[in-house]
Formats: sequence, C-alpha cells, structure tokens
Amino acid sequence: NAGVTQTPKFQVLKTGQSMTLQCAQDMNHNSMYWYRQDPGMGLRLIYYSASEGTTDKGEVPNGYNVSRLNKREFSLRLESAAPSQTSVYFCASSVKTNTEAFFGQGTRLTVV
Amino acid sequence: QKEVEQNSGPLSVPEGAIASLNCTYSDRGSQSFFWYRQYSGKSPELIMFIYSNGDKEDGRFTAQLNKASQYVSLLIRDSQPSDSATYLCAVRYSGGGADGLTFGKGTHLIIQP
Repeated sequence: NAGVTQTPKFQVLKTGQSMTLQCAQDMNHNSMYWYRQDPGMGLRLIYYSASEGTTDKGEVPNGYNVSRLNKREFSLRLESAAPSQTSVYFCASSVKTNTEAFFGQGTRLTVV
Repeated sequence: QKEVEQNSGPLSVPEGAIASLNCTYSDRGSQSFFWYRQYSGKSPELIMFIYSNGDKEDGRFTAQLNKASQYVSLLIRDSQPSDSATYLCAVRYSGGGADGLTFGKGTHLIIQP
C-alpha cells in the first residue's frame, strides 16, 4: 500500500523559476494538505483541501497555489520561486479534517 | 492565535526508563490531539491520537489528555534507543480559520543505551 506519494523527492530551482510539486494518495481520503517544515519553525500549513473540489489557505499561503485535481491528487505550485521558499514540503491526507493525517515522504526544495 | 507549545529539548532518558513528553495548546475548544514521531530526514509518522479526557494506551505508548488544563502528554515506557527521534504534538483547532492540524515545534528525545 503506497499511502501518500510525493514527487519529486529533491529539487533545486533558481530564483524566479516555477515548479509544481505532485501528491497522490491511494487511501480514499477526502482531505489533503500541504505543509512546509523549516528548522526552528515546525510544520506550517500552506494550503488544504477539505474535500474534492475545495481548497483553502492555511497559515503561510503567500507565493503558492494549489489544485485539487481529483480525489487522489493535490498539487502545489510555486509560480516564481524565492530563496525564502527553500524548505522541506510535506503532503498529507486524512479521512476528514478532524482525523489523523498521514504524510508523504517529503520534497526537499532548494531555491538558489 | 493558534499555538501548540512543546519543550524543544533535547530530553535525555536512560534506556528502559519512562520518557514523558508534554504539550500545551491555546484553544480550549480543541477536540482532536495527535502525537507524531519524526526521525531525522524522514516524514512524520502517526503514533497516537486522543479525543477524550484521560489516558489512552497503545503498547508502550500512553497519551494523556487534560482539556481543563489544556495539555496533552505522551509517555513511552521501557524506552529503547530506536525511540530516539523528534516527537511532534498536533492539535486540530475548533472554530473558524484554516482547518487542518497545528503542530508544535517538537521535542527532541534521546534514549541513552
């Protein structure tokens, strides 16, 4: 059982470049999330999708966009990458927003 | 302001002893509480969740919730070197604002052989 799968695992971008982080879950979960994790800051919610067809901002949405492509897939897009977006990005999913979340393996992004 | 506070540690515990990890939260209306373990360079892994006041046991792990005092704790009995990791407390806040879990910054636990 794959669970939550993220691609890519590692990425280096130049300032101003764009990219999309992909996430897919095979657990038939309704809710999906994107978090970033920075040293000393903990995990912070970027965007979430409570159910298919809905997306909402989290704590730190600036500079990001998301798409809930279908029930399985939730992508995160950086339109114009900045060094401040250097971080580890985690996708997660849960049955509902008030139940336990399961995380993907993470994407380590460096913006130079 | 949604806050989840944890002592960053490191917390050093001898092998075989009980490790006690604590977490406080700011929203009295919170309903769902979670403990995750994260090894260095890996993703968070769910250990336990607790919704009701009192204790919940699962193997060597016990989660304790006290909503009146707004704290949740995790006890690890018979600590093993493999328990050395960062433990993240997460709270699902009630009311308006962004949904999803709010995480503490984690407590770094070291089990000394």
